[in-house]
Amino acid sequence: SFVLTQPPSVSVAPGKTASITCGGNNVGSTSVHWYQQKPGQAPKLVMYYDSDRPAGIPERLSGSNSGNTATLTISTVEAGDEADYYCQVWDSSSDHWVFGGGTKLTVL
Amino acid sequence: EVQLLESGGGLEQPGGSLRLSCAASGFTFSTYAMDWVRQAPGKGLEWVSAISRVGKTYYADSVKGRFTISRDNSKNTLYLHMSSLRADDTALYFCAKDEYGSGFDSWGQGTLVTVSS
Repeated sequence: SFVLTQPPSVSVAPGKTASITCGGNNVGSTSVHWYQQKPGQAPKLVMYYDSDRPAGIPERLSGSNSGNTATLTISTVEAGDEADYYCQVWDSSSDHWVFGGGTKLTVL
Repeated sequence: EVQLLESGGGLEQPGGSLRLSCAASGFTFSTYAMDWVRQAPGKGLEWVSAISRVGKTYYADSVKGRFTISRDNSKNTLYLHMSSLRADDTALYFCAKDEYGSGFDSWGQGTLVTVSS
């Protein structure tokens, strides 16, 4: 089945830009969704259809998807952005939802 | 406001069964697909199962043949019947509202299932 690969961790200083990648075979041909999960909380959808933000998600978060890599970019990172981030796709060949392994974003 | 409230988790022995429930409110339950997602302690998210508006079901390979997803639209409730439980089924189980394939836009807080002798 489809495999999504994320770096286990990304570190960034406050005010800088963080990029979290999600790699998969030709992932650019499908839609990628992104979730943020803070400790002790349920996941929260922060990006859908590659680059659309749900209501209430700041413009500092943006997404892109091309070729074999989708990327969630967080600009002007704040301490409150520290969380685990997961990418997700629908694998139509197996009729399964697939999550990436998750990336822990640390704000230095 | 959309609310999803899971229940039914607990401690069960290997080989046992449990039924999880997810009570939904704040939206027209019958018009949305619904999913179960689990998270083992300290691990990432794992999709478990989905059910469409019309009752078509989908399962992860790890639970196929052991878990059954169902819904009662008259009660606005989603279910997950889990049987032949194994230690690696131990996890926090979330239900989620499936926004027509554009991701899961609402989640419950989860119910903990522990499989141990």
